[in-house]
Amino acid sequence: GENVEQHPSTLSVQEGDSAVIKCTYSDSASNYFPWYKQELGKGPQLIIDIRSNVGEKKDQRIAVTLNKTAKHFSLHITETQPEDSAVYFCAARGQTGANNLFFGTGTRLTVIP
Amino acid sequence: ETGVTQSPTHLIKTRGQQVTLRCSSQSGHNTVSWYQQALGQGPQFIFQYYREEENGRGNFPPRFSGLQFPNYSSELNVNALELDDSALYLCASSRVGGGADTQYFGPGTRLTVL
Repeated sequence: GENVEQHPSTLSVQEGDSAVIKCTYSDSASNYFPWYKQELGKGPQLIIDIRSNVGEKKDQRIAVTLNKTAKHFSLHITETQPEDSAVYFCAARGQTGANNLFFGTGTRLTVIP
Repeated sequence: ETGVTQSPTHLIKTRGQQVTLRCSSQSGHNTVSWYQQALGQGPQFIFQYYREEENGRGNFPPRFSGLQFPNYSSELNVNALELDDSALYLCASSRVGGGADTQYFGPGTRLTVL
């Protein structure tokens, strides 16, 4: 099955700086890559996603890039704010069976005011 | 906030007991997926229900079972609870078909097995 690796596990940035989280996947058939933000005591919240026919997608301060050849994708957050502090998960979905997601192990982002 | 709701919020059971967790999907969604999230880990896929039938299963034993009802809500049942079953259980709803299959998660049920 699919294996998703995520780095770094923790990331601290100053408010206003940028944050980058990177993930790699193993199954070249995977075609959908969402990113979720999880705050303490809450379920994962979808913040952005990208499909395999697109190389980059942007939504205000958040962008995701996908390199299918290298099988890696990244989340970029610009102008970070304290409310961006949370755990971020990348995920990948293969094309077999259920459209279940395979998640990375998460990145705890702390934005220092 | 998504329209996905889960109950109960927290639950404490003892080893060997059975538990039922419930999930109501977002309006317009026809598929429910269940995930187990251990502390400090990413969610792991348990199974998915579509049209009231299991539509895929992760690496979980048969004591994890589920149901989906005609209104697309779902239950997760776990028999013979073990200490390692302590986790946050998440359900995610989606609409299969037409390419709109993004999964939206509920707040989760925190299960503690003593």
